[in-house]
Amino acid sequence: EAGVVQSPRYKIIEKKQPVAFWCNPISGHNTLYWYRQNLGQGPELLIRYENEEAVDDSQLPKDRFSAERLKGVDSTLKIQPAELGDSAVYLCASSLLAGGSGEQFFGPGTRLTVL
Amino acid sequence: GQQLNQSPQSMFIQEGEDVSMNCTSSSIFNTWLWYKQDPGEGPVLLIALYKAGELTSNGRLTAQFGITRKDSFLNISASIPSDVGIYFCAGSLTGNQFYFGTGTSLTVIP
Repeated sequence: EAGVVQSPRYKIIEKKQPVAFWCNPISGHNTLYWYRQNLGQGPELLIRYENEEAVDDSQLPKDRFSAERLKGVDSTLKIQPAELGDSAVYLCASSLLAGGSGEQFFGPGTRLTVL
Repeated sequence: GQQLNQSPQSMFIQEGEDVSMNCTSSSIFNTWLWYKQDPGEGPVLLIALYKAGELTSNGRLTAQFGITRKDSFLNISASIPSDVGIYFCAGSLTGNQFYFGTGTSLTVIP
């Protein structure tokens, strides 16, 4: 069974430029998460989807970040415009059911560097 | 967002030694998870705990859900070089949103 797929794996951009990350969760997983992981820290939740609905986006900086999961499968996270402080690893995770076993399966992440 | 406190921050041990690390929270949780993250990869789930006082093993790994529901512990017995990585705890009250710890970096010296 394929795991969570993310692309690109690495992205280097100049500040004020836009950037987008893509995630394809494990087949059949209804819940999708986007996390940001700063260097030396644990992941922090940005947004959680149940199917195509964003059910928790309280930690998403909505002035510059947006996300979508139009058909309830793959998802895109966008930053526009990017700032220096956005440099981090952006992780996508999925789980079969929300509030169930809590077993979230993570993708390899996208490492973003903003210059 | 909330970050749980993990200690120690880093460990350097000899191969074959046992390892203990812990994670504490200011609030109670109903689920504790332990993950391992290798460089350039996402975290991989090691052990899940769902009940206060629960003790669960996965091979050489054993984790415990603290009685107070505000802490959890992970032990690795007879460490081997492939145990190297960063170990994260994660806790949740509802099972929907998980808060992650700051991580414990483990180095195993052959």
